[in-house]
Amino acid sequence: NAGVTQTPKFRVLKTGQSMTLLCAQDMNHEYMYWYRQDPGMGLRLIHYSVGEGTTAKGEVPDGYNVSRLKKQNFLLGLESAAPSQTSVYFCASSRRDRGPLLITDTQYFGPGTRLTVL
Amino acid sequence: KNEVEQSPQNLTAQEGEFITINCSYSVGISALHWLQQHPGGGIVSLFMLSSGKKKHGRLIATINIQEKHSSLHITASHPRDSAVYICAVIGGISNFGNEKLTFGTGTRLTIIP
Repeated sequence: NAGVTQTPKFRVLKTGQSMTLLCAQDMNHEYMYWYRQDPGMGLRLIHYSVGEGTTAKGEVPDGYNVSRLKKQNFLLGLESAAPSQTSVYFCASSRRDRGPLLITDTQYFGPGTRLTVL
Repeated sequence: KNEVEQSPQNLTAQEGEFITINCSYSVGISALHWLQQHPGGGIVSLFMLSSGKKKHGRLIATINIQEKHSSLHITASHPRDSAVYICAVIGGISNFGNEKLTFGTGTRLTIIP
């Protein structure tokens, strides 16, 4: 199993450009998440999905859109990139265990995407 | 004041020492998550707990819901334990009406051989 993979690993954009980050998991997990990590601020949840066709806003969703058309894929889109979106982006997935919790089981993280917006 | 505070921010210890990393939070939570971020950037989920204690190998995590505090212990520490340890709490409602997940900024642990 590849686990959780992210594409691309690195990207440099100019302000105003658009791009899509792809996250794929082969563990048949119901839950998927997109995080950003910035120095001194820790990880922050951007959007998440509790199942195919469903998405929800996390802590910092503005400027991002997501889609979960297939269970194994979770896409993060930047329609008009801004320098404030320079960050390392992590995708994660987890199995749905029980209860209504946002995270119900061990999360598996992708290797990250380093995005720079000039 | 951050909702999740970790201490210490940095910790350097000799191989073999018993390590304790602390996480305090100020909101009511339904669960707490410990993660490890390797020097290369990869993140691994260690524990998720809502009460009591969990153990995995040389790692032990405890939580005291009444005191709003969790600790991560490492016994017989080894240089390969050098990493950033991050705690996250699930609790409260975000500005968008969903369950809220808040991360600490991490504790950087260095184990010297």
